[in-house]
Amino acid sequence: EVQLVQSGAEVKKTGESLKISCKGSGYSFTSYWIGWVRQMPGKGLEWMGIIYPGDSDTRYSPSFQGQVTISADKSISTAYLQWSSLKASDTAMYYCVRRVVVGGTPCWLDPWGQGTPVTVSS
Amino acid sequence: DIQMTQSPSSLSASVGDRVTITCRASQRIINYLNWYQQKPGKAPKLLIYAASRLQSGVPSRFSGSGSGTDFNFTISSLQPEDFATYYCQQSYSTPLYTFGQGTKLEIK
Repeated sequence: EVQLVQSGAEVKKTGESLKISCKGSGYSFTSYWIGWVRQMPGKGLEWMGIIYPGDSDTRYSPSFQGQVTISADKSISTAYLQWSSLKASDTAMYYCVRRVVVGGTPCWLDPWGQGTPVTVSS
Repeated sequence: DIQMTQSPSSLSASVGDRVTITCRASQRIINYLNWYQQKPGKAPKLLIYAASRLQSGVPSRFSGSGSGTDFNFTISSLQPEDFATYYCQQSYSTPLYTFGQGTKLEIK
């Protein structure tokens, strides 16, 4: 079974750093892009960026460029999302998701991790 | 960026109803359009990919159509477990994917 399992809930203070993880299993981790999605409380889904674990090629949505860092360690099939200095506005649920493309078809996002809730307070 | 606009933003319906949600892209995206279902406290789940292809294991009451800039998502006969929020997502602008704002489907 293809699965993405994320690290647990985090409660942090403003200005602190944080790194959350997403571990893939049941497929070749280095062959599929992994993306990150933010969902603020009561709001919709926002695309943050994506990484190809095979060579660590990383792309960011303009809204998140410079605000977060996406990385991966292919030796342990794990992708990461990190902040160097958290703000209260980073309070949200964060999902990792695998990008799938088969042949010449348009790609889709599946499966999704279970989500990591991050709470940042002063 | 490609903007995705869903309508309506919320919808009340009854079990057994047929419902349709619309998603419009700010530019042509061919059929690079996916639909997801999200229930409260859960991660989104893929239902439809490439505008009209049903993901494996998803009931056939769900369907998608459209191409270019205008897309529809239909549930032919609502079941109690279908009350959720639905999102469209474009995958044309790789890798800057964008989602619609969501449609919350509630019980009437």
